[in-house]
Amino acid sequence: DGGITQSPKYLFRKEGQNVTLSCEQNLNHDAMYWYRQDPGQGLRLIYYSQIVNDFQKGDIAEGYSVSREKKESFPLTVTSAQKNPTAFYLCASTGTGGNEQFFGPGTRLTVL
Amino acid sequence: GESVGLHLPTLSVQEGDNSIINCAYSNSASDYFIWYKQESGKGPQFIIDIRSNMDKRQGQRVTVLLNKTVKHLSLQIAATQPGDSAVYFCAENLGHDYKLSFGAGTTVTVRA
Repeated sequence: DGGITQSPKYLFRKEGQNVTLSCEQNLNHDAMYWYRQDPGQGLRLIYYSQIVNDFQKGDIAEGYSVSREKKESFPLTVTSAQKNPTAFYLCASTGTGGNEQFFGPGTRLTVL
Repeated sequence: GESVGLHLPTLSVQEGDNSIINCAYSNSASDYFIWYKQESGKGPQFIIDIRSNMDKRQGQRVTVLLNKTVKHLSLQIAATQPGDSAVYFCAENLGHDYKLSFGAGTTVTVRA
């Protein structure tokens, strides 16, 4: 099956620790995105990448970092500089020339 | 700044009735709009999309209407079923980088 996978589904970390969230897609999509979702709110863009080895900051990039070494993978690191990291994180991808974004199942990060 | 927003945060509908979910947008340059459905603890799923050169588009049990004059978007769900209970988001394409801007969402609850 083609799709987007995110792991783990639930993640717990101590305050001050960096944590990396995985996002993999086998849709052969060029563009990938990371969003943050807080309770009762919409999706806010953290980072996006249109092509391998290139990425841009979204609206709330502070305290986060990404890499795009492979077309299939776009991992997100939540650093200790992120003041309020507890949230639901969603990864998405889009094919060339497309507008529709396909979403993964999400990772719920809880910082204790 | 310009953003996409939904008129009502919650909607309660009787099973079998039609549902109408509204969304207002302010970016007149947006040329593409999408509706997503998000069930609890899952990633958003594509429902239907519409381009700015169209006023109406129909899918299976769903219809999207676009009124560019008043910058209004609506999603109509016919014969609402319990499985339609979810949060519904509208999103607009800002015209570059395939980026989407999301509204806050409307939570639809279907009463049996």
